[in-house]
Parts: sequence; C-alpha cells; structure tokens
Amino acid sequence: DSGVTQTPKHLITATGQRVTLRCSPRSGDLSVYWYQQSLDQGLQFLIQYYNGEERAKGNILERFSAQQFPDLHSELNLSSLELGDSALYFCASSVGGRGGTEAFFGQGTRLTVV
Amino acid sequence: ILNVEQSPQSLHVQEGDSTNFTCSFPSSNFYALHWYRWETAKSPEALFVMTLNGDEKKKGRISATLNTKEGYSYLYIKGSQPEDSATYLCASLGGTASKLTFGTGTRLQVTL
Repeated sequence: DSGVTQTPKHLITATGQRVTLRCSPRSGDLSVYWYQQSLDQGLQFLIQYYNGEERAKGNILERFSAQQFPDLHSELNLSSLELGDSALYFCASSVGGRGGTEAFFGQGTRLTVV
Repeated sequence: ILNVEQSPQSLHVQEGDSTNFTCSFPSSNFYALHWYRWETAKSPEALFVMTLNGDEKKKGRISATLNTKEGYSYLYIKGSQPEDSATYLCASLGGTASKLTFGTGTRLQVTL
C-alpha cells in the first residue's frame, strides 16, 4: 500500500458528461501529480500541485481541470467527456515539489466513456 | 534526445539470467532520473531516484547507473526471478520544470 488513495476505482459514464476523480496523498506529502495512461501509451503527465498551488502543467486538455485543497487532497475534473478520454488516471504524491524525491502512486481510476 | 526513451520495449529471460535495460533522456538541464517497477494490476512503485552523474544505486538484486552528460541510465537485474516480471519505467526531470516525463517502459517476463 503506497498510502495514496484514489476514488473511485472504476467509473463508467456517457459522452458529454462530467466526472470528478479524487486523490488523497500520503500523509506529509505536499505534491500531487496527475497522470493519464491510455491504451498502448505511457504515462502522460497532466498537472502537478504543490501545497495548494499549481506547480507544473503538461498536455492537459482545456476540458480538464484540477485543484488541490487546503487539506492537500486533490480533484481532477473531466468535462464534456469523449470516447478518447477513456483511460487509467493515476495520482501520485511526493514530499517535495521538484521531483527530486520518489513519487508514490495510487491504484488509479479506470474511466470508461461510452 | 527530446523525450525519454527506453529499450528494449520488451524482454523475455529465463530464471537465473541477468539482464539490463536502457533509459535515454535529455541531458541538458538535467535534474533527476527516476526508476519505477510496475506490476500488472498494481500501481508503479519507486525503485530509485538518481541525481548525480556517475551515481550507482542498488536494492537487492537490482541496481542502476546514471550518466547525465550523455543522457542515459542502465537498470540491471542480477539472477532474474519470476517475481521480477513487470514493466520497468524510467522518468526524467529537467531544468526548472517539475514534471516527471516517463518513458513507455520495458516489459520484462521471467520464466522458469
């Protein structure tokens, strides 16, 4: 158990809908990272938050947004969902904000858009 | 090298064989290199974080080396066991950016 909790584990929704994925980082970790893994693709970096503020942004679509709350949990909001958004979404956390320390991954949320 | 590249894409070895994989990454503005082990139906698990040129790290039968000047890292597994079967990911971090850029991984299968 990495200490990072992601909910829900599975989500099936229709095109055009909006969903929220939730991540609780390891106790003491200030950074939260979101990654997307589509079929046959590697882990694609979406966004990072550090202590409540956006630290780095990857190829995150405008339909997607995220935030980190004062208690350090994070939510990834995906709206106007398309079939191509079906993927495994991972959250990871680390102590530092620069990537010099190991990241701990949650079990992922598998999103299926039908 | 603009992205993180890993080779080979997959590898099939016999129990007891030693093996190694390569991770190539942008050498300019290097900050850190991570290795992760990812078993099927689980989440990636950190093996090493390396920051210094020439760094070598070891955990049991697994070790890694780092060359930041030429932009590569090797992961070695000595005496492979079936439980070593997994996808091994590397990720690099460069410059002022905070994002870890992952390679697509090397899928290792160890058979009896």
